[in-house]
Amino acid sequence: DAGVIQSPRHEVTEMGQEVTLRCKPISGHDYLFWYRQTMMRGLELLIYFNNNVPIDDSGMPEDRFSAKMPNASFSTLKIQPSEPRDSAVYFCASTQGSVNQPQHFGDGTRLSIL
Amino acid sequence: AQKITQTQPGMFVQEKEAVTLDCTYDTSDPSYGLFWYKQPSSGEMIFLIYQGSYDQQNATEGRYSLNFQKARKSANLVISASQLGDSAMYFCAMSPDKLIFGTGTRLQVFP
Repeated sequence: DAGVIQSPRHEVTEMGQEVTLRCKPISGHDYLFWYRQTMMRGLELLIYFNNNVPIDDSGMPEDRFSAKMPNASFSTLKIQPSEPRDSAVYFCASTQGSVNQPQHFGDGTRLSIL
Repeated sequence: AQKITQTQPGMFVQEKEAVTLDCTYDTSDPSYGLFWYKQPSSGEMIFLIYQGSYDQQNATEGRYSLNFQKARKSANLVISASQLGDSAMYFCAMSPDKLIFGTGTRLQVFP
């Protein structure tokens, strides 16, 4: 079975550029989560969706960040304009049925903003 | 407010020995889940084990077991017969409504 698929695996871009991270959840999973991991702040939940609808975006840092889930098999996390402090590993995860179920993570996108 | 605490930044264990990684939590919700994840140096997050707040028995998955003490609000991970491949960061997490992670414990297994 295919796991959660994220792309790209690595992204290096210059400050001010738009960055788009992509995620394909496990087929049949109705919850999708976006996390950010940094040394300073650890793992933080940014936003999560249930049945393609955003449920909690309280972790989204600021208006430069936006996330969409146009259908059950695809989600994007966009940063515009990007800043060096956005450098981190961004994980997508999915699960089925409830947020109290184990989440399956993608391999992450390592983002570096120069 | 929910909170997860991992007090051990690093642990060492000899191969084939057992090791316990500590995790305490705080929540006022009666229904919640407790999780452990492993993050090797390659960076991926691997789900290890889950315990529901209403589960009567401690969860086990192969060499992993979760020592759940509800009254003490602790959910320690026990790894039996450690292997060199167990060297990694280990995160405890809980979810009454969304997953909250602890700061992690770095486990080093030596021969």
